[in-house]
Amino acid sequence: EADIYQTPRYLVIGTGKKITLECSQTMGHDKMYWYQQDPGMELHLIHYSYGVNSTEKGDLSSESTVSRIRTEHFPLTLESARPSHTSQYLCASSEFGFTGELFFGEGSRLTVL
Amino acid sequence: AQSVTQLGSHVSVSEGALVLLRCNYSSSVPPYLFWYVQYPNQGLQLLLKYTSAATLVKGINGFEAEFKKSETSFHLTKPSAHMSDAAEYFCAVSEGGYGGSQGNLIFGKGTKLSVKP
Repeated sequence: EADIYQTPRYLVIGTGKKITLECSQTMGHDKMYWYQQDPGMELHLIHYSYGVNSTEKGDLSSESTVSRIRTEHFPLTLESARPSHTSQYLCASSEFGFTGELFFGEGSRLTVL
Repeated sequence: AQSVTQLGSHVSVSEGALVLLRCNYSSSVPPYLFWYVQYPNQGLQLLLKYTSAATLVKGINGFEAEFKKSETSFHLTKPSAHMSDAAEYFCAVSEGGYGGSQGNLIFGKGTKLSVKP
């Protein structure tokens, strides 16, 4: 069973607020990812990391930022939330050697009013 | 660039009927292909994967998929649907062919499977 946790699961917040979505995994995985998921759309990769102090932008441009100070922790931050940021954000992790198996958290559903 | 097309955003079957979810991919190199399942209010979990070994791949919960290079397809099937199969299913292809240094996945838009009693 995957051990990857996201908090909060649901967040409703006003425009202009700063938010941080937390993601932690206990599997010791080097690679971590953030995907954005909207109904009827592909999952889009917005950030990923190969390991500590590594962060890369994915194929979908995002105003969010990420950090990777510890192997197990990969938070995503929006400095000033807008209604266009309303979405579900999924965190995932995998071993460094490519197996294709991503382990996903349950997601954080963000609503910006 | 690689891409994935899932035909049908919503598929409805009766319990006990065959499940067929379609996936076509585009890739200039031999791909790795995957099916993930997402149950309501949960994250995605891996159902099965093709990594250039056997073309017929068996996964969890009785699902299987066949890689057909000539048709650039990787359709997901299950002989007999169960109520618990109701979920959203995502096909994915790896970026970079044989994995590469990134190994990031490109997902399709998903197909929501409903199972009628």
